[in-house]
Amino acid sequence: GESVGLHLPTLSVQEGDNSIINCAYSNSASDYFIWYKQESGKGPQFIIDIRSNMDKRQGQRVTVLLNKTVKHLSLQIAATQPGDSAVYFCAENISGTASKLTFGTGTRLQVTL
Amino acid sequence: DGGITQSPKYLFRKEGQNVTLSCEQNLNHDAMYWYRQDPGQGLRLIYYSQIVNDFQKGDIAEGYSVSREKKESFPLTVTSAQKNPTAFYLCASSRTSDYEQYFGPGTRLTVT
Repeated sequence: GESVGLHLPTLSVQEGDNSIINCAYSNSASDYFIWYKQESGKGPQFIIDIRSNMDKRQGQRVTVLLNKTVKHLSLQIAATQPGDSAVYFCAENISGTASKLTFGTGTRLQVTL
Repeated sequence: DGGITQSPKYLFRKEGQNVTLSCEQNLNHDAMYWYRQDPGQGLRLIYYSQIVNDFQKGDIAEGYSVSREKKESFPLTVTSAQKNPTAFYLCASSRTSDYEQYFGPGTRLTVT
């Protein structure tokens, strides 16, 4: 079936460098995408979202890029800090499925000093 | 403080027993959700409810049951029919006009 997936299960980045976490989706009917951060033993926290009518959206130190042509989503974190270490999930809403989100398997970001 | 609470944080049960996980929200959200998360994996939808007294099965509803008698509450019962109930359970809520879901802190259930 169609699902959201991630290219890299673990990403190791040095403190201060930029991080890029990638996500592939296969459902062309997806019209909303969201990134969550989950620290160990806690619930996911919202980072940033983007609708399919946009290519880019920026937040504080984070940018989400959407390439609908190749069905690819990325999360960029600028000047990565130790507190950014967590698992990052992308999720999508498929048009016509009410408010349901379909989650990817996640990427673990490890920030080294 | 507005938010979602789940209790307890850790829960231990013997195999064959039913167990109910609590989820309460004071965000005035209409929609609520239950997810299951296994180690190193993503979130899988168990049940969701978009309005009081109504709920729908998610992708892995077998062995679980829910009720939605109040807007603020969406308890999940893990029945003895669930073959592998040990997992981390997450509750979330959202406005029906919005896709962003707000998550609770989770309940880690261990069944032995």
